[in-house]
Amino acid sequence: GAVVSQHPSWVICKSGTSVKIECRSLDFQATTMFWYRQFPKQSLMLMATSNEGSKATYEQGVEKDKFLINHASLTLSTLTVTSAHPEDSSFYICSARIQDPLEGYTFGSGTRLTVV
Amino acid sequence: GEDVEQSLFLSVREGDSSVINCTYTDSSSTYLYWYKQEPGAGLQLLTYIFSNMDMKQDQRLTVLLNKKDKHLSLRIADTQTGDSAIYFCAESIADQAGTALIFGKGTTLSVSS
Repeated sequence: GAVVSQHPSWVICKSGTSVKIECRSLDFQATTMFWYRQFPKQSLMLMATSNEGSKATYEQGVEKDKFLINHASLTLSTLTVTSAHPEDSSFYICSARIQDPLEGYTFGSGTRLTVV
Repeated sequence: GEDVEQSLFLSVREGDSSVINCTYTDSSSTYLYWYKQEPGAGLQLLTYIFSNMDMKQDQRLTVLLNKKDKHLSLRIADTQTGDSAIYFCAESIADQAGTALIFGKGTTLSVSS
């Protein structure tokens, strides 16, 4: 089935540094990729939608300059958390839409970001 | 705006049936999904239902959809300890840049032996 590979699985970084999270679609082309954020014991909140070759669409309240999304190819989307702060610590998950509605959406395994 | 509501916790004994409920607000949803998330892991698609269906059964899983009340439920028969996880219902909503999934807060299912 369609697989999205997300890495790193976890990362610890210092305040003020930037962290890049990658999501690759392994055996299909992901025209659209969704980025979610999940706080402990809470739901997944949609942050932004990225389309290959165009600018990402951000949800209300999500800072575009802080969470940079690049979707330069049909198999790779990246999320860069710039100038990270402790409040950015969270679980970030990417998702891609699959043509076959049986599978609907496939998810990466998530990235646990801890900013110290 | 779109909103998906779920009860937060459910505790059952091994072998019993579990029923997890969900309500949604957007009547234009095309697909409704159930996902399972184990601790520290990503999401695993369990099952889905088209919005024009009332029921779908898949082995131990039964999904019931009441479109009039915008109510979705997931029944797990013969619940096992391995079923302990967080279960999310989600609806697909047309977004300006594509169709994103909107998730409920998740129901933590605890199965005791």
